[in-house]
Amino acid sequence: EIVLTQSPGTLSLSAGERATLSCRASQSIRSNNIAWYQHKPGQHPILLIYGASSRATGIPDRFSGSGSGTDFSLTISRLETEDVAVYYCQQYGGSPWTFGQGTKVEVK
Amino acid sequence: HVQLEESGPGLVKPSETLSLTCNVSGTYISRYYWSWIRQPAGKGLEWIGRIDGYDNTNYNPSLRGRVSLSLDASKSQFSLKLRSVTAADTAIYYCARDGPSGTSAWFDPWGQGTLVTVSS
Repeated sequence: EIVLTQSPGTLSLSAGERATLSCRASQSIRSNNIAWYQHKPGQHPILLIYGASSRATGIPDRFSGSGSGTDFSLTISRLETEDVAVYYCQQYGGSPWTFGQGTKVEVK
Repeated sequence: HVQLEESGPGLVKPSETLSLTCNVSGTYISRYYWSWIRQPAGKGLEWIGRIDGYDNTNYNPSLRGRVSLSLDASKSQFSLKLRSVTAADTAIYYCARDGPSGTSAWFDPWGQGTLVTVSS
């Protein structure tokens, strides 16, 4: 099983700042099959990024993904109050599909 | 516009079987894999398993053979059965679309989720 480790656990920044979330895999992810989701309380997760760097339909361009191999990141270029959520990375390169433990993003 | 909606009992007794159904609209169910994912309170997301329109399945080994999935294309729905449940199976259960048959992919879209509590 591929273990995904996300850091930091919590990220607290001011509106307008840049947020960088990390996701490290225990082994190389085939074809960079990494997705990122935004999960707000009481709602279902929403796909932000797939294929490590492709933005999902309707997702603002302030969200971007990068990385390859075992190290991946999600960047929110200019944090907005509506971005408060837990963000999860997920790999679909090898079964069982697994998620990271999440990074909670707070806006000061 | 693809939509998914989970349904099933919100309360299940320990040692019994948890049964949930996901109704799919806006797409041909047979073309894709369909997954179940759960989230215990205060914890992260766990993939349970997936099924496609040809009854190909993949399961998370962590559930130790307690899970089975089925799909009824005529009703555009797929179902989850989890046997011998314990309190550790209390969670919000989500259904989601996976990749096209024969592939692996991200989860999009997701259902709203349904809370299942295991308690006597």
